[in-house]
Order: sequence, then C-alpha cells, then structure tokens
Amino acid sequence: GDSVTQMEGPVTLSEEAFLTINCTYTATGYPSLFWYVQYPGEGLQLLLKATKADDKGSNKGFEATYRKETTSFHLEKGSVQVSDSAVYFCALGLGNEKLTFGTGTRLTIIP
Amino acid sequence: GAVVSQHPSWVICKSGTSVKIECRSLDFQATTMFWYRQFPKQSLMLMATSNEGSKATYEQGVEKDKFLINHASLTLSTLTVTSAHPEDSSFYICSAGGGGGLSQPQHFGDGTRLSIL
Repeated sequence: GDSVTQMEGPVTLSEEAFLTINCTYTATGYPSLFWYVQYPGEGLQLLLKATKADDKGSNKGFEATYRKETTSFHLEKGSVQVSDSAVYFCALGLGNEKLTFGTGTRLTIIP
Repeated sequence: GAVVSQHPSWVICKSGTSVKIECRSLDFQATTMFWYRQFPKQSLMLMATSNEGSKATYEQGVEKDKFLINHASLTLSTLTVTSAHPEDSSFYICSAGGGGGLSQPQHFGDGTRLSIL
C-alpha cells in the first residue's frame, strides 16, 4: 500500500541553521506530495506541495523537490527561525483527496 | 482565521458513554470531509471519508458501528464514538476539502483530545 517514511525527530537546531527533514514515499500511482505544518495549539496547515516529478514547492523560505527517481520529497530551509518551531508532516495524495501522512517531525529552534 | 472549526477541543468522559465531535467548514461548502486519529508520536491515520448526503467510507480495520459518521449538510460532519472505552482515547482530527481534488488544499480542524476514564 501507499506509505510515507519521515525522518524521526525530535530535531533541535540553533537559529539560522540549515534544515533538512527527509521524506520518502511508496505509492502505486503518481502521487501529489505535501508538507503540512502544525504549530503549537493549532491545526495542520499546508506548507507546500508538488504535483509531479521535478516540481519544486516553496513557501516561507521552505522548499521541497519532487524526486521520482529517489521517491523523495525532502524539506529544506536555509536559515531557520525560532518561529519555525512546529511539527512537520510529509504526506502523499492520489487523486481522491485522501492523504497518507508520515509520522511527523518535531522541530525546535533555539535562539 | 480558521476555516474548519472542530468542537469540542477536549473531552473527558466515563467508559461506556458516547461522545460526539463536530467538524464545521466555516466559509466554504465541503462535499468531502475526513476523519483522522492520531496516537502520541505517531502519524495521522485516516479513519473514514465522509461524503455529504451519503454513507461514509471507512478504512480497513475501523469499526463503523463504533465510530458513527454523519455528514448531513455541506458544512457539518459529526463523528460519534459510541460506548467509548479507554482504548478509544486519542486525538481526533477532521479535515474538509471543497471537492476540487488535490489541486485544492484540505483544511484541518484543531483536533479533539478524547480521554476515556
């Protein structure tokens, strides 16, 4: 079946550090890929998405590139801020709006 | 502001009681809503897909008689945990889509933490 494997956390970084959160997937078709973010006390919000191979999603300084050859969608940010502290979920979707999520990665940025 | 409202945010009840959780889309019509369950430090697991005006579609392993879903209008879906037991304690999250497929993002509620004593 479809699945998402996400880098386990928690991840703790200093402010302005480079961030990578790994995500790989297994899917029977050609999925769309998503990163969602959950800030403390809030619901999930879409951070970025990519719908086909080689697409790059970007938002708020975060980027992720849909790599079909490695079945990956790693999340990166060049310089993290304290306000980026949250839980990040990688997810895939196959046409019918159903999403399959990874386990989530808790990110803490220290000043 | 929030576009999907989930209520209550936290509930504690005795074993054997039934608990209803509401999920409302505030400024759009949601033809499809999804109910997820999240265990501590684990992923969101899709429980069921709720379609307005028709029966919900449950994922494998989810007891439909235990988790009753009703989607009676384009802005409201409810999840009722019947005869709840401590093993039903979890974090339940709903999301709503506007029927545009994956081209439109799903909007998530803030979740309901259910604790069964």
